Amino acid sequence: EAGVAQSPRYKIIEKRQSVAFWCNPISGHATLYWYQQILGQGPKLLIQFQNNGVVDDSQLPKDRFSAERLKGVDSTLKIQPAKLEDSAVYLCASSFARGEKLFFGSGTQLSVL
Amino acid sequence: GDSVTQMEGPVTLSEEAFLTINCTYTATGYPSLFWYVQYPGEGLQLLLKATKADDKGSNKGFEATYRKETTSFHLEKGSVQVSDSAVYFCALHGSGNTGKLIFGQGTTLQVKP
Repeated sequence: EAGVAQSPRYKIIEKRQSVAFWCNPISGHATLYWYQQILGQGPKLLIQFQNNGVVDDSQLPKDRFSAERLKGVDSTLKIQPAKLEDSAVYLCASSFARGEKLFFGSGTQLSVL
Repeated sequence: GDSVTQMEGPVTLSEEAFLTINCTYTATGYPSLFWYVQYPGEGLQLLLKATKADDKGSNKGFEATYRKETTSFHLEKGSVQVSDSAVYFCALHGSGNTGKLIFGQGTTLQVKP
């Protein structure tokens, strides 16, 4: 079965610029997660979707980060404007349902200069 | 809130050595516990899990036992191989029954031939 697809693989931007990441979960997976993994740390949940509704966005910096999951399938995560501390790997994961096994994409590595 | 603490890395071992990576957690109730592995250039993969006290998860020669009394889930392997070199993350299901994972900071394992 196809895995979780993410793009781009790498992105380099300057601070105050905007950036967007895309995620295509495994077909049929209702739950989608975006995690931020800063170098040397474990992944931290930014936002969780159940179909196209938000379940948890308590750790999403809403003044600069936004995410959507149109039609309950693909999802995009946007940062506007980016800060130096946003440099990290952004991981997308999906699961068939809440509490089920998570499948992770390879991530997008963002460098903010 | 819920949290996971792992031993500091990197851990450097010779091939066929015994591996232990310590993991302790703080959580409300009795969450499911997981070990994920991240091989170089790849996404996070579930290695093993345990869903209740005294359960032992195992996979690919790795084992971990859910210890409620010590709130621990230490990862062990009797004889490591060079191919086991990766970053290992301990994680738990966060409270609130959303299915989200809370990760430790990760432990890098390097196995030398």
